[in-house]
Amino acid sequence: GAVVSQHPSWVICKSGTSVKIECRSLDFQATTMFWYRQFPKQSLMLMATSNEGSKATYEQGVEKDKFLINHASLTLSTLTVTSAHPEDSSFYICSARDVLTGTGGYTFGSGTRLTVV
Amino acid sequence: DAKTTQPPSMDCAEGRAANLPCNHSTISGNEYVYWYRQIHSQGPQYIIHGLKNNETNEMASLIITEDRKSSTLILPHATLRDTAVYYCIVRDGPGGSNYKLTFGKGTLLTVNP
Repeated sequence: GAVVSQHPSWVICKSGTSVKIECRSLDFQATTMFWYRQFPKQSLMLMATSNEGSKATYEQGVEKDKFLINHASLTLSTLTVTSAHPEDSSFYICSARDVLTGTGGYTFGSGTRLTVV
Repeated sequence: DAKTTQPPSMDCAEGRAANLPCNHSTISGNEYVYWYRQIHSQGPQYIIHGLKNNETNEMASLIITEDRKSSTLILPHATLRDTAVYYCIVRDGPGGSNYKLTFGKGTLLTVNP
C-alpha cells in the first residue's frame, strides 16, 4: 500500500533557530500534500496544502513566512519552521494525496514532535 | 465539508464489538463518509470509507443509514491496540474537487481488558 515517510520523528531545537521536516511518498507520486499541526489533547488542524511545482495554499491564520513549504518534486514536500519559538512546539503531520490508492486517497506520515526550548 | 458529530468518548470490553456512531445530517449526495483513527502520538490511519452501501474490510465494517444522515463504524472484536481516537469525516470521493480532510474532535475509544 501507499507509504508516506516523515522525518525526523522528533526534534528539539533552540528558540530562534529553524527546523526542516521532510515528507516523502515512497511508492506513489503525490501532486498534493497536506501539513497538519496538532497540539496536546486537540485534533489535527490543517495548516497548508502543498502542490507540486506551485506555491502552497495556507489556511487562515497560518503565517506563510514562518512555515515555509516547498514541494519541488512529486515525492517530496518539506515544511520549515523558521525562527522557532516555544509556542511552535507541536506535533506536525503530513499527508499525501494519491487518488489511486484504496485509503480514501490519503496516507499520513508518522508525525514529527517538535520541541522548542 | 459537511460537519459531523461524534460522542467524545466510548468504552468497550476487549473481545467485544465496538460500535462508534457518527451523525452527518447535512451530507450531500456526492460526499463519502471516511473513518480514520489516530493512536497516541502517531499519524492518522485510514480505516474505511463508503458512499451509501455498507462496507467491510479486514479492519472494520461501515454501516450507513438509508438516508445517509448517520453511520456506524463497527470493530467486530476490539483489542487493546484498538484504543485510539476515531474520526468520522465527510467529503468528496478520492477524485473529487473538495479534497481537504478536515478533522473534528473524534471519539476516544478505550478498550478495556
